[in-house]
Amino acid sequence: DSGVTQTPKHLITATGQRVTLRCSPRSGDLSVYWYQQSLDQGLQFLIQYYNGEERAKGNILERFSAQQFPDLHSELNLSSLELGDSALYFCASSADTSSYEQYFGPGTRLTVT
Amino acid sequence: GNSVTQMEGPVTLSEEAFLTINCTYTATGYPSLFWYVQYPGEGLQLLLKATKADDKGSNKGFEATYRKETTSFHLEKGSVQVSDSAVYFCALSDPNTGRRALTFGSGTRLQVQP
Repeated sequence: DSGVTQTPKHLITATGQRVTLRCSPRSGDLSVYWYQQSLDQGLQFLIQYYNGEERAKGNILERFSAQQFPDLHSELNLSSLELGDSALYFCASSADTSSYEQYFGPGTRLTVT
Repeated sequence: GNSVTQMEGPVTLSEEAFLTINCTYTATGYPSLFWYVQYPGEGLQLLLKATKADDKGSNKGFEATYRKETTSFHLEKGSVQVSDSAVYFCALSDPNTGRRALTFGSGTRLQVQP
């Protein structure tokens, strides 16, 4: 158990809808990362937050957004969903040590029908 | 940009065989290197890491050495077990980009047969 929690575990929704994925980092970790894992694209970095502020952006679509709240949990919002958004979405956290190691949650499997 | 290349799988071995999974990287500076493992239906677990050239990361019988001259970080284990069956990801984090996000390889599936 990494100490990172994600909810829900599974999500099935229709095209055009909007969903919110939630992540709670390990106790004491200030940084949260979101990654997408799909069969065709592999594991891709989406976005990073550090202590409530956006720190870095990766291959995140404009239809996607995220935020980190004062209690350090984070939410990833996906809107106008398309079939191609079906994937596993992972959250990871780190304490921002010099080695940059990250600890991953169990993931949310999103299926868009 | 940064990239990680892993050998394609699946790799199928018999129990107690020697394992090597190749990983090479391209980075602008001196990245930190990692191996993560993903068991079926689970998230990624950090297996081992190395932060500078010639460092050797090790954990649970797995080892990998950071080779700057060959830009490689190959994963090895002397004797695999059925329980090692999983997908293994090589990854890097490049501090020179000012970004600590991980760049992953495509993953290598390992199947160990009894």
